[in-house]
Amino acid sequence: AQSVSQHNHHVILSEAASLELGCNYSYGGTVNLFWYVQYPGQHLQLLLKYFSGDPLVKGIKGFEAEFIKSKFSFNLRKPSVQWSDTAEYFCAVNAGGSYIPTFGRGTSLIVHP
Amino acid sequence: KAGVTQTPRYLIKTRGQQVTLSCSPISGHRSVSWYQQTPGQGLQFLFEYFSETQRNKGNFPGRFSGRQFSNSRSEMNVSTLELGDSALYLCASSAGTGGTDTQYFGPGTRLTVL
Repeated sequence: AQSVSQHNHHVILSEAASLELGCNYSYGGTVNLFWYVQYPGQHLQLLLKYFSGDPLVKGIKGFEAEFIKSKFSFNLRKPSVQWSDTAEYFCAVNAGGSYIPTFGRGTSLIVHP
Repeated sequence: KAGVTQTPRYLIKTRGQQVTLSCSPISGHRSVSWYQQTPGQGLQFLFEYFSETQRNKGNFPGRFSGRQFSNSRSEMNVSTLELGDSALYLCASSAGTGGTDTQYFGPGTRLTVL
């Protein structure tokens, strides 16, 4: 069974700092990759997803992620964070034709104004 | 389109009781998945229903069960509640057609077991 690792459980940044959240998965075949975000008091929602083509994917609110197949990674980045980016971020992977994504444990991001 | 709705939003139960949670998916979505979210474990997959049939199942005991109706609405039941069942239960709907589908989540039901 596939697994998804998010190495940073808690990240604290100041506004305008750059962000990179790590995500690694364990599956050697074709994967579909997602980042979801849960803002305080709101539903989980999709930030971006990758399933083919350009491995650099752009999502909402200035986020992007890069799929590096050789490293089994799909790290999330944002060049300059804002206080409103404070949220929990989840990486998810669909592998082997599965309909159901496996989620990482999440990373809690706090951005200080 | 209306989003995914879940009822009730909050529940307090005592050990040994049972509980039923309800989820209404986005119109046109045929797949409904249930997840348990806890601070220590993140999102853990319970089961998925597609066209009234359980298509996928996670590693939860048989006390956790579900069903889906012909209008795609889904219910989840937990019998003989334990303290460890306290969690946020999330429902997600999708088209259910493949691995690239986006999951659309509801607000969750916060279950507290005393």
